[in-house]
Amino acid sequence: DAKTTQPNSMESNEEEPVHLPCNHSTISGTDYIHWYRQLPSQGPEYVIHGLTSNVNNRMASLAIAEDRKSSTLILHRATLRDAAVYYCILRELNSGGSNYKLTFGKGTLLTVNP
Amino acid sequence: EAQVTQNPRYLITVTGKKLTVTCSQNMNHEYMSWYRQDPGLGLRQIYYSMNVEVTDKGDVPEGYKVSRKEKRNFPLILESPSPNQTSLYFCASSLYGTGGGQPQHFGDGTRLSIL
Repeated sequence: DAKTTQPNSMESNEEEPVHLPCNHSTISGTDYIHWYRQLPSQGPEYVIHGLTSNVNNRMASLAIAEDRKSSTLILHRATLRDAAVYYCILRELNSGGSNYKLTFGKGTLLTVNP
Repeated sequence: EAQVTQNPRYLITVTGKKLTVTCSQNMNHEYMSWYRQDPGLGLRQIYYSMNVEVTDKGDVPEGYKVSRKEKRNFPLILESPSPNQTSLYFCASSLYGTGGGQPQHFGDGTRLSIL
């Protein structure tokens, strides 16, 4: 399984930008980079994904390094509601191309200070 | 509202007493999956289903069964629960199982305690 490495925890202040890093040096050419987050007592929530180009949506931006061995999730203005565990995941297909599996690691616990 | 609904949300039961956790989605998704979440181990896939009547094992299928008779429902069955199946369970769905970057939608989880 391709693996990702994230810091265990990060802190931010409310209304400031947050840059959450992720290393994935063993990524293959067909692996999509997904970000999910999990708020306390809830199921994981999709945030954003990308393959090669930087991506923006209403929740966040995803910056992907040119060699694709790392990426950064950017929350432009953190709010208290953004406090969660953020997971960087490589979406892999199994050998038969039949399973869209997400392998969740330990993620980064983001604390947002008022 | 588009959602994945799991029931029950909490259950305490005893070893060997068969139980079923239901999962239903209203988004007409083809792909559905079950995960369990344990401290220090992250989320691990139990079973998945590419479409009606098509199911397959994930990473930790032992002790579990599933069925997919209808597109919207994907129940998780524990025929003879054991204490090592005490965990937080999540059902998820996505439009398709393959293709680029399909986001998965997760339910709010079912916390099972097997005594």
